[in-house]
Amino acid sequence: EDQVTQSPEALRLQEGESSSLNCSYTVSGLRGLFWYRQDPGKGPEFLFTLYSAGEEKEKERLKATLTKKESFLHITAPKPEDSATYLCAVQAASGTYKYIFGTGTRLKVLA
Amino acid sequence: NAGVTQTPKFQVLKTGQSMTLQCAQDMNHNSMYWYRQDPGMGLRLIYYSASEGTTDKGEVPNGYNVSRLNKREFSLRLESAAPSQTSVYFCASSGGLTGVFEKLFFGSGTQLSVL
Repeated sequence: EDQVTQSPEALRLQEGESSSLNCSYTVSGLRGLFWYRQDPGKGPEFLFTLYSAGEEKEKERLKATLTKKESFLHITAPKPEDSATYLCAVQAASGTYKYIFGTGTRLKVLA
Repeated sequence: NAGVTQTPKFQVLKTGQSMTLQCAQDMNHNSMYWYRQDPGMGLRLIYYSASEGTTDKGEVPNGYNVSRLNKREFSLRLESAAPSQTSVYFCASSGGLTGVFEKLFFGSGTQLSVL
C-alpha cells in the first residue's frame, strides 16, 4: 500500500536554530515528491517538486532533498515567519491523479 | 490574480441538510480536485475532474457528488449532511495534461460543521 509518513508531528525551534523535517514514503514507483507549506486557515502552498533520488532544491532558508525512501526539508537559520505546517505528498506511477499526502509537521519558530 | 476561489469560507449545517461548495479557478487549468482535511489525517481526495466533462471518484467519495460545470468551475454537493462530514474542504487545480504530474494550486478552504 502506498504510504507517506512525516516526522516529527510538531517541532519548536529557536530563531536561528537549524533543523530538518522528514518525509518517508513507500510507493509503487515514484513519479514525484512534493513539499507544501500551509499557514493556519489557508490552503497549502507549493514549495518544491523532486523527481529522482539525489535531487535537491533550494528556496531561501529551505532545502529539500530526496533519496529512494525519504525526503528531508532542511531549514537553515529559521525565522518566526517560517512557522507553518509543512506537508509532503507523493504521486505513484500507478495513479495518474492520486497524490498521497502525509499528515504534516507543525513548525513553530520562536523569536 | 485570484487563483482558486472557494465559497463559502465557513458553513454550519444540521444533519440531513444539503449544500453545495463552489470552486472556480482562473488559471485555465484542466484538472480540478476536492479534498478534505481532518486532524491527524492527510489530505484525502474526494473527487477529481481530469478535464472538462469528466469526473472520477477519489479515496472518500461516499456522501458527495460533484459537477464540473465548465473548465473554470467544479462544485461539491453534500446531499444529506452527516456529522462525519465535519471537516475542512479544499478545492485544488493543476495544469493537468493527461498523464503529467503537476503541482497543485489550492483554494483557501471551507470549514464545514455538521451538527
